[in-house]
Amino acid sequence: NAGVTQTPKFRVLKTGQSMTLLCAQDMNHEYMYWYRQDPGMGLRLIHYSVGEGTTAKGEVPDGYNVSRLKKQNFLLGLESAAPSQTSVYFCASSYDRGQGIYGYTFGSGTRLTVV
Amino acid sequence: GQQVMQIPQYQHVQEGEDFTTYCNSSTTLSNIQWYKQRPGGHPVFLIQLVKSGEVKKQKRLTFQFGEAKKNSSLHITATQTTDVGTYFCAGPSGGSNYKLTFGKGTLLTVNP
Repeated sequence: NAGVTQTPKFRVLKTGQSMTLLCAQDMNHEYMYWYRQDPGMGLRLIHYSVGEGTTAKGEVPDGYNVSRLKKQNFLLGLESAAPSQTSVYFCASSYDRGQGIYGYTFGSGTRLTVV
Repeated sequence: GQQVMQIPQYQHVQEGEDFTTYCNSSTTLSNIQWYKQRPGGHPVFLIQLVKSGEVKKQKRLTFQFGEAKKNSSLHITATQTTDVGTYFCAGPSGGSNYKLTFGKGTLLTVNP
């Protein structure tokens, strides 16, 4: 199994450009998440999904949109990139085995630079 | 909102020394999870603790969940260079079991 696959791995954008980050999981997990990681800030939740066709805002959702049209895919969009969105983006998936969501499986990350 | 605090932020040890990182939540947690992130890598799930006072071991790593379920610790005995990385704790956030709030992590470096 591939687990969680993120594409692309690296990207440089100019301010104002748009892009979509793709996350795909092959574990049939119900829950999917997008986090960003910045130095000294830890992992902050952008958006998440508790099932196909559902999305919800996390801690830092402004400037991002998401869609989950298929259970295995979770897309993160930046409509008009800003330098403040320079970060490492991680997608994760998880499932509930009866004691709350079990451990996240993370993708390898996307390093985005906005110039 | 719920906060998860970790201390210390950084820890540098000599190989063979022990290491402990602590995690404290502002609210009672239904469970707590620990992750490890190697430099340049992605976080990898280590363990989940659910019960009050629970202690679990994985080789040289010992995880503990406090009696009040508001704090946790990770202890590494006799560190090795392979232990280098950032250790994060995380707990369910906002009263929901669907998403986690992560602490800012403890960066462990090991001098061989």
